[in-house]
Amino acid sequence: GQQVMQIPQYQHVQEGEDFTTYCNSSTTLSNIQWYKQRPGGHPVFLIQLVKSGEVKKQKRLTFQFGEAKKNSSLHITATQTTDVGTYFCAGPRGAQKLVFGQGTRLTINP
Amino acid sequence: EAQVTQNPRYLITVTGKKLTVTCSQNMNHEYMSWYRQDPGLGLRQIYYSMNVEVTDKGDVPEGYKVSRKEKRNFPLILESPSPNQTSLYFCASSLGRWNTEAFFGQGTRLTVV
Repeated sequence: GQQVMQIPQYQHVQEGEDFTTYCNSSTTLSNIQWYKQRPGGHPVFLIQLVKSGEVKKQKRLTFQFGEAKKNSSLHITATQTTDVGTYFCAGPRGAQKLVFGQGTRLTINP
Repeated sequence: EAQVTQNPRYLITVTGKKLTVTCSQNMNHEYMSWYRQDPGLGLRQIYYSMNVEVTDKGDVPEGYKVSRKEKRNFPLILESPSPNQTSLYFCASSLGRWNTEAFFGQGTRLTVV
């Protein structure tokens, strides 16, 4: 079945460095969602991308949806300690299911 | 306040002892689902429900049951828990199916010994 692969699994950066996580699907996605899970917390919705080539920004976070709608990325500029957590992408499978990537766990050295 | 409430937050149980994890949402959402989270595997869907009395299997349904008798509640039932069901469980709800924001509960950490 359709899989959503996310890389890297872990990323450790110095505070102030940039961070990027990538999400790849084996099939074309109608949309993709991104979630953030703080340590010990639950996933929280960040954004949804729908259009081919779409780019959306939320302050220091930039989200992109590939032209072929099979990949997506989340880029954080100048990380801060509040960015610590695990970032998940999620895409639909069929008409009723939402499939999550394995997540990228971001840790930051202050 | 809009929220998804799961109970209990933590549970330690023994193999074979039936248990239920409750999930309730106050947003009148039609779509609800259960996920388990394991290291390196992300969130895997166990069961989902499109509406009252409509449920279907996700990717890892073995050993679990669900019911949706009311729109707001979607309990997860483990009839005979086994150690491989030790995991962190999340309930989620959304207005639509896959194309709308999912709201997650606080999670239930289950240990089966």
